[in-house]
Amino acid sequence: GQQLNQSPQSMFIQEGEDVSMNCTSSSIFNTWLWYKQDPGEGPVLLIALYKAGELTSNGRLTAQFGITRKDSFLNISASIPSDVGIYFCAGERDDKIIFGKGTRLHILP
Amino acid sequence: EADIYQTPRYLVIGTGKKITLECSQTMGHDKMYWYQQDPGMELHLIHYSYGVNSTEKGDLSSESTVSRIRTEHFPLTLESARPSHTSQYLCASSEWRSSGNTIYFGEGSWLTVV
Repeated sequence: GQQLNQSPQSMFIQEGEDVSMNCTSSSIFNTWLWYKQDPGEGPVLLIALYKAGELTSNGRLTAQFGITRKDSFLNISASIPSDVGIYFCAGERDDKIIFGKGTRLHILP
Repeated sequence: EADIYQTPRYLVIGTGKKITLECSQTMGHDKMYWYQQDPGMELHLIHYSYGVNSTEKGDLSSESTVSRIRTEHFPLTLESARPSHTSQYLCASSEWRSSGNTIYFGEGSWLTVV
């Protein structure tokens, strides 16, 4: 079946650092979605990408839909403590949505 | 902002009890989903629905059942809860646009079976 490879699985960074994470697949997707999940809460949509090559920003977050349609990345600039959480990517094709296994972001004191 | 609501948020019940997790959305979305997620782990699709009277099993086998009698309502039921059912259950709905499909989640229901 279709799989998304999300990396890294975990990140430990200092406050103020930039963060980059990505998702890749052997399959083509029509939509890429990025979510953030805080402990005990449901995932919240950060950015939705609908077109190959699309680059979209949401505050300090920037995400891109890869031109091959098989990958996407999410960057966070100047990280702050509230960025801590799990970030999930999701790809959609043929009416099915596949989720990555998540990137766990930790900020060191 | 997504308008999808789950109740209860937290539930502790005894083994063998029947429980129903409620999920409602006010966005008129046809597609709805239930995911199961252990703390800090990946999301597992257990049920989905493409519309009224449509229900399908997801990728992860689950002893729970669902129903879709109304567009806005997608409850999940466990007839006889067991400790292995302890987990977070996330309800979601998706909006289809010509540009693509976007899924929105509720806040989740934490179930503990003792």
